[in-house]
Amino acid sequence: EDQVTQSPEALRLQEGESSSLNCSYTVSGLRGLFWYRQDPGKGPEFLFTLYSAGEEKEKERLKATLTKKESFLHITAPKPEDSATYLCAVQGNNNDMRFGAGTRLTVKP
Amino acid sequence: ETGVTQTPRHLVMGMTNKKSLKCEQHLGHNAMYWYKQSAKKPLELMFVYNFKEQTENNSVPSRFSPECPNSSHLFLHLHTLQPEDSALYLCASSHGQASTDTQYFGPGTRLTVL
Repeated sequence: EDQVTQSPEALRLQEGESSSLNCSYTVSGLRGLFWYRQDPGKGPEFLFTLYSAGEEKEKERLKATLTKKESFLHITAPKPEDSATYLCAVQGNNNDMRFGAGTRLTVKP
Repeated sequence: ETGVTQTPRHLVMGMTNKKSLKCEQHLGHNAMYWYKQSAKKPLELMFVYNFKEQTENNSVPSRFSPECPNSSHLFLHLHTLQPEDSALYLCASSHGQASTDTQYFGPGTRLTVL
């Protein structure tokens, strides 16, 4: 069965303090790994899709990387507006999206 | 705004009530999804519709009944729910079901079952 584990569960950073979120996965035939951002009371907002090991994608202060076992979401010099829950999901051969429980990020000014 | 709307945004119902959740997408997509999000738990896929045909039912109890009258609208009919069904119900849509087809989510309906 496909599994996604995200760590840490919660992360508190000072503004400007760079860090990384981890997403470890097991999947039968990876077709895509997805990162979403979710603000309180809202639905998940799409950030990135990664398809193969070694792939990297960037958007503003965020950079996502992928290996055969895990993905990292690197946050460089975060700002308070980056505070949110970050969700990771994988899609395997069955086409279903399997989500992790998320990392709740708080960035203090 | 993602182009996916859900109504109502909040719903409180008793265990004997019957209610429906509505989802509408304005993106021209062909696939629509229902997810359940409980506190501190991962999103759980409930149902998938592709071109109005149900392609996935992840062992969801029969007290949840989906309906997809066309590619733009998706309903979730609720009856005789249990308190443990209280959660955020999210609708999503995508062009198709391929991995290259990003799923776009609505804001969700916060359901409380008393």
